Formats: sequence, C-alpha cells, structure tokens
Amino acid sequence: AQSVTQPDIHITVSEGASLELRCNYSYGATPYLFWYVQSPGQGLQLLLKYFSGDTLVQGIKGFEAEFKRSQSSFNLRKPSVHWSDAAEYFCAISGGSYIPTFGRGTSLIVHP
Amino acid sequence: DSGVTQTPKHLITATGQRVTLRCSPRSGDLSVYWYQQSLDQGLQFLIQYYNGEERAKGNILERFSAQQFPDLHSELNLSSLELGDSALYFCASSAKLLAGHTGELFFGEGSRLTVL
Repeated sequence: AQSVTQPDIHITVSEGASLELRCNYSYGATPYLFWYVQSPGQGLQLLLKYFSGDTLVQGIKGFEAEFKRSQSSFNLRKPSVHWSDAAEYFCAISGGSYIPTFGRGTSLIVHP
Repeated sequence: DSGVTQTPKHLITATGQRVTLRCSPRSGDLSVYWYQQSLDQGLQFLIQYYNGEERAKGNILERFSAQQFPDLHSELNLSSLELGDSALYFCASSAKLLAGHTGELFFGEGSRLTVL
C-alpha cells in the first residue's frame, strides 16, 4: 500500500518569506511523486513531479522540491512567497497501482 | 483552464435522492478519474475509466456508479444520497492509461454536492 502524510494542516508565512511544506510517503520502492496546488474554487494543478534522476526538481511558479530517499520525504520549497501563493497544496504519490494517492493537504496562508 | 469540464458546479439535493455528475475530459484524453474531496477524508480516489472500460476502483460506495461513453465523457451517478455524501467531486483526465507514467492528472473545477 502507498500513503502520503502532510504533517502540517495550516502554514502561515509573511509575504516575501521562504516556504517549506512537508511531505512524507510510505511505499516499498521509489515512487512517482507530485505536488499539486488548489486555489479557491479551482481544481488541482500540477506544480512539479519527480520520477527519477536529479533529486531536486523545479516546477512552475518558482517552486522546487527535493526527494530524499533516506527520509521518505518530498518537501516543497519556495524562496520568496507571494500573496497569490495562498492556496491548498497537495502532495501525491503514484506507486505500483499508478493511481495517484493524495495527502490531506496543507493550507498556506500568506500575511502581507 | 485545464480543459476538463464538469457540470454542474453546484448541486443541492435531499437525502434519498439520486444525482448525476458529468465530466468531459481534455480533448484526446482517454482516461478519466473520479475523486471525492471532503473535510474528513481528504481527496479519495473513487474510480478510473479508460476508453470506455473500468480500469481501477478505489473507495467507491455501492450506491455510486460511473460510466464512460463512446465520446469519452463520463458520468458519476450517486444514489440513495446521505448527508455524508456532501463533498466536492472532482473529475480528472490523462492521456494514457497509466497516469503515474505521464506524471500529471488534469483536474476539472469540481462539482460541489450538498445533501440536506
């Protein structure tokens, strides 16, 4: 079975501050890993994905994520947060079933 | 705009009723997925269709059913509705059967179902 844990339900940052959203997964092998973002009233949009190779992956909107096999983690980062980044962020894993399993999400609140 | 269209956007109905949610995938996408998003369960996979055939089932209740038509649009039927079925229902599509290989699902904006 595959599972994803996002330990933080809410994260509050000030605009311009750096951001790190945590994601831990459980799977017997190296999975496919994704981060999606859901803005209010919208569907989910893919930010970035990791399949293999370089463990630091770049995505859209200035986001990046680092795969750490030893920690079973795939944390999302952004060096400087903008007010428009306020949204719900979902980590997802795709393993042997190839059906993405999503974490519970982290709500990002950005203070001006 | 992801290219995935879901109707209706909002639906309010009563317990015991039946509703149908509709999804049109991105042009050319053969695979359709249905997910349920609720506050207590998060985003749960319900069912996947590929080119008209059911390919994978998740946590879908027996009261729920789905199908994919020859024109590739899909419908999710929810019957004998209960208060707990109130949720946001997402449809997503991908070009290939194995979405994990393509890395991306394209999501619609969802259908918000409220059961009173």
